[in-house]
Amino acid sequence: DSGVTQTPKHLITATGQRVTLRCSPRSGDLSVYWYQQSLDQGLQFLIQYYNGEERAKGNILERFSAQQFPDLHSELNLSSLELGDSALYFCASSVVGLAGSYNEQFFGPGTRLTVL
Amino acid sequence: GQQVMQIPQYQHVQEGEDFTTYCNSSTTLSNIQWYKQRPGGHPVFLIQLVKSGEVKKQKRLTFQFGEAKKNSSLHITATQTTDVGTYFCAGNSNYQLIWGAGTKLIIKP
Repeated sequence: DSGVTQTPKHLITATGQRVTLRCSPRSGDLSVYWYQQSLDQGLQFLIQYYNGEERAKGNILERFSAQQFPDLHSELNLSSLELGDSALYFCASSVVGLAGSYNEQFFGPGTRLTVL
Repeated sequence: GQQVMQIPQYQHVQEGEDFTTYCNSSTTLSNIQWYKQRPGGHPVFLIQLVKSGEVKKQKRLTFQFGEAKKNSSLHITATQTTDVGTYFCAGNSNYQLIWGAGTKLIIKP
């Protein structure tokens, strides 16, 4: 158990819909990362938040957005869903080190999104 | 853009054979991390390498960071069924963490 929790575990929805994925980081971790992993593919970095502020952005679509709240939990919002958005979405957290450095990331169990 | 190329994409080995995956970066890295993802699981941190030419061992796993800090490798000696999974490298460069595509280790039946 990494200490990172994600809900829900599974989500099935239809094209055009909007969903929200939730992540609670490990206690004390200020940084949260979101990743997308399509079937048997690598990890696509989407976005990073640090203490409520956006820190880095990867290949995140404009239909996707995220935020980190004062209690440090984070939500990833996916809208106008398409079939191709079906994937496993991981959240990870870490203690951010010196400016620009990255410490080990602890991954949650993921949310499996199926768009029909 | 900055890239970390990881090869091979898949490696099929007989149990007891060795396994190696390689990562090459287009830019100099300040450090590199390695993660393992078991089938159906989430990535788990294995190690971080920081120094040029660094070599670290964890039982049957040997991790190396190149002298120029642009490449790294993970070598597993005498693979076991518990080694099955996908191994990812992630390089830290210019305030970004860039992930390799992963190498899937498959044990032949």
